[in-house]
Amino acid sequence: ENELTQSPGTLSLSPGERATLSCRASQSVGRNYLAWYQQKPGQAPRVLIYGASSRATGIPDRFSGSGSGTDFTLTITRLEPEDFAVYYCQQYAYAPITFGQGTRLEIK
Amino acid sequence: QVQLVESGGGVVQPGTSLRLSCAASTFTFRNYAVHWARQTPGKGLEWVALVSYDGGTEHYADSVRGRFSISRDNSKNTVYLQMNSLRLEDTAMYYCARGSGPGSFLILEWGQGTLVTVSS
Repeated sequence: ENELTQSPGTLSLSPGERATLSCRASQSVGRNYLAWYQQKPGQAPRVLIYGASSRATGIPDRFSGSGSGTDFTLTITRLEPEDFAVYYCQQYAYAPITFGQGTRLEIK
Repeated sequence: QVQLVESGGGVVQPGTSLRLSCAASTFTFRNYAVHWARQTPGKGLEWVALVSYDGGTEHYADSVRGRFSISRDNSKNTVYLQMNSLRLEDTAMYYCARGSGPGSFLILEWGQGTLVTVSS
């Protein structure tokens, strides 16, 4: 099983600031099959990024993903109030599919 | 807008069984893999199972393999999760989710979930 570790656990920032979230895999994620999801309270997750760096349909360009192998990053430039949520990374290269434990992005 | 509506959740005792359903609409159901994932209240996400577009391939998380079974009926646009020998630790919100293609492991769309509580 490819274990994903996200850091930090909680990130406190203000609107307008830049957020950098990290996801590290215990094994290389083949073909960069790494996705990022956003989840708000009481809602289902929503895909933001897939293939490590491709934005899903309708996702604003302030969200970007990068990385390869075992180290991946989600960057949110110019935080908007609606961006404060929990973010999960997920590897989908091999079964079992695994998620990171999440990073909570909170308003400072 | 992809629609995935889960049903069948409830409160059950340890050791019993429950079957969840996921009814899909607004897309060509038979062309896509479907997943189940779960989330413990206040905790993170755990992938549970996947069935390919034609039902020919299944994958399971180690935590449920041998107890849970995923299946689909393309004539009814529905996916099922049969959960047997339920444990306290199976308590969670269960989400149905659509893959990006016929056998895809990438999840693109999620339902709103159905809550399963295993309690004595």
